[in-house]
Amino acid sequence: GAGVSQSPSNKVTEKGKDVELRCDPISGHTALYWYRQSLGQGLEFLIYFQGNSAPDKSGLPSDRFSAERTGGSVSTLTIQRTQQEDSAVYLCASSFAGAGETQYFGPGTRLLVL
Amino acid sequence: AQSVTQLDSQVPVFEEAPVELRCNYSSSVSVYLFWYVQYPNQGLQLLLKYLSGSTLVKGINGFEAEFNKSQTSFHLRKPSVHISDTAEYFCAVRGFGNEKLTFGTGTRLTIIP
Repeated sequence: GAGVSQSPSNKVTEKGKDVELRCDPISGHTALYWYRQSLGQGLEFLIYFQGNSAPDKSGLPSDRFSAERTGGSVSTLTIQRTQQEDSAVYLCASSFAGAGETQYFGPGTRLLVL
Repeated sequence: AQSVTQLDSQVPVFEEAPVELRCNYSSSVSVYLFWYVQYPNQGLQLLLKYLSGSTLVKGINGFEAEFNKSQTSFHLRKPSVHISDTAEYFCAVRGFGNEKLTFGTGTRLTIIP
């Protein structure tokens, strides 16, 4: 079946602009995660959604970052007033609920803030 | 909280030689352990995972890893590598009751023909 998809694949923006990144999880997966992959920081957890529960936002680096998940499926990560240090690859993953379930990753969105 | 250490940032290996990529973790609770691979310009793909039971775990593409609780290690091995194994390899840990994965900084495996 289809895997996790993300759009856009690449995004170039100017400092100070807002950006929205989209993630379509695997159908049937109730858990959705956002991670960031950047030079010098490696792979960092950002936020986690599980069903209708309140999201775990403990990894969001600042209040400029927010995410929502509509209808338990598609998720959007929004970065307001982008800064150059936001340049990174943003990865989305989804999984079934349950301990030890495999997280399946999308191809990522490469964000470059000029 | 959990942390993962991958001491080797780069590992060059001759084709058909064996390889071991090292991973050590730290956690105050029991953990699940994972190895992911990222091929050039692609997303992360699961190689193998340890949840419980036998400490030797076999994954895709001929890779295996052994969980050693006393040494808090989960090293990845392959007896004979191929050019197609050129990629970056990430070790990750997930603590019981914690949903997020904590990743190591990755090891870039380069296969020398």
